[in-house]
Amino acid sequence: ETGVTQTPRHLVMGMTNKKSLKCEQHLGHNAMYWYKQSAKKPLELMFVYSLEERVENNSVPSRFSPECPNSSHLFLHLHTLQPEDSALYLCASSQHRGSEQYFGPGTRLTVT
Amino acid sequence: GDSVTQMEGPVTLSEEAFLTINCTYTATGYPSLFWYVQYPGEGLQLLLKATKADDKGSNKGFEATYRKETTSFHLEKGSVQVSDSAVYFCALIPGGATNKLIFGTGTLLAVQP
Repeated sequence: ETGVTQTPRHLVMGMTNKKSLKCEQHLGHNAMYWYKQSAKKPLELMFVYSLEERVENNSVPSRFSPECPNSSHLFLHLHTLQPEDSALYLCASSQHRGSEQYFGPGTRLTVT
Repeated sequence: GDSVTQMEGPVTLSEEAFLTINCTYTATGYPSLFWYVQYPGEGLQLLLKATKADDKGSNKGFEATYRKETTSFHLEKGSVQVSDSAVYFCALIPGGATNKLIFGTGTLLAVQP
């Protein structure tokens, strides 16, 4: 069971498209995260939001733009992506920074 | 810096075999330790956790004991099933001001009938 949902589950987009990934948590948590999971590479933390404020940005290219309108929702806006951006994008939430994280099912992104 | 090292996979076992996946860590302070599991096509699920030395986390027949003297948190299960086939990630949150979740590289477990 998971209290974190992500849509869409699969996305194919061209390099000139603009799309958004959505994450929603139903756990009453205060922190939310975006991760990138690529084949043969460790999980990469992209962004951290705590109480709707971005507190961490791990040198992510500007073609990825996060948005956290409230503590339950997190978006990742995508534009002019590259084929190497194809990966599984995972959203997670936690009660606060420093507590265990709960993950959504991920969005499988393919950039053509 | 803080890090997690887990055994290389894949680990291939027959059904009902005993499972051990080794995990050791390097961390400042007193970290919290976790095992996550990722089934094919899904996100990560928290499997178990331990927050202080000698704590034993357990869930779904899996166990891991926080061993501070050996800086280890090995995952064990007495009798694996085909449905346990997945990738297992060891992770930690360091003590102190740093509260980033740090993952190992994952170990693929394949259980054959």
